[in-house]
Amino acid sequence: KAGVTQTPRYLIKTRGQQVTLSCSPISGHRSVSWYQQTPGQGLQFLFEYFSETQRNKGNFPGRFSGRQFSNSRSEMNVSTLELGDSALYLCASRLTSPEETQYFGPGTRLLVL
Amino acid sequence: AQKVTQAQTEISVVEKEDVTLDCVYETRDTTYYLFWYKQPPSGELVFLIRRNSFDEQNEISGRYSWNFQKSTSSFNFTITASQVVDSAVYFCALSEARGGKLIFGQGTELSVKP
Repeated sequence: KAGVTQTPRYLIKTRGQQVTLSCSPISGHRSVSWYQQTPGQGLQFLFEYFSETQRNKGNFPGRFSGRQFSNSRSEMNVSTLELGDSALYLCASRLTSPEETQYFGPGTRLLVL
Repeated sequence: AQKVTQAQTEISVVEKEDVTLDCVYETRDTTYYLFWYKQPPSGELVFLIRRNSFDEQNEISGRYSWNFQKSTSSFNFTITASQVVDSAVYFCALSEARGGKLIFGQGTELSVKP
């Protein structure tokens, strides 16, 4: 069974631009979560989507948003990029319940110049 | 509030040495889940193990073993006879029964030298 896939793997943007990242979960998994990893803050939870609805949300500004499609694929969008948004963005999927194990994709490395 | 502490930022060992990575957690929940993930240089977080709060049984998987002690809120990870391929950053994480988001420690970078 294929793992979690994320596209693109690398991205360079400039301040003020917006970006959209994509995540395809493991087949059969209906929950998708997003995490941001930076050297200073470590791994932080952004949000989780289940059945096309946001089920949980972390402490990030409204510039960070996401959505999930009927096939469980998810996208996250960051608008008005700031230098501090440079990070590795990781997507994770799990079957359904919050207590189940999350499996991660390879991540998208975003560099904001 | 939930918190995970991995006090060891970096550990360097020589191949074949045993190494233990420490993890201490804080939570007010009675039901929670603990995880260890491995992050090689490629960046992907690789799932290693999951433990439920009601199951304190230790586990061994090949060269890997985990010691879960609720009395000290610790979930330590030991690699026996380490190998160069074990070099990576290892993360301990906690999630509560409700919500299910992962709270990560800061990670321990393990370097195994030949």
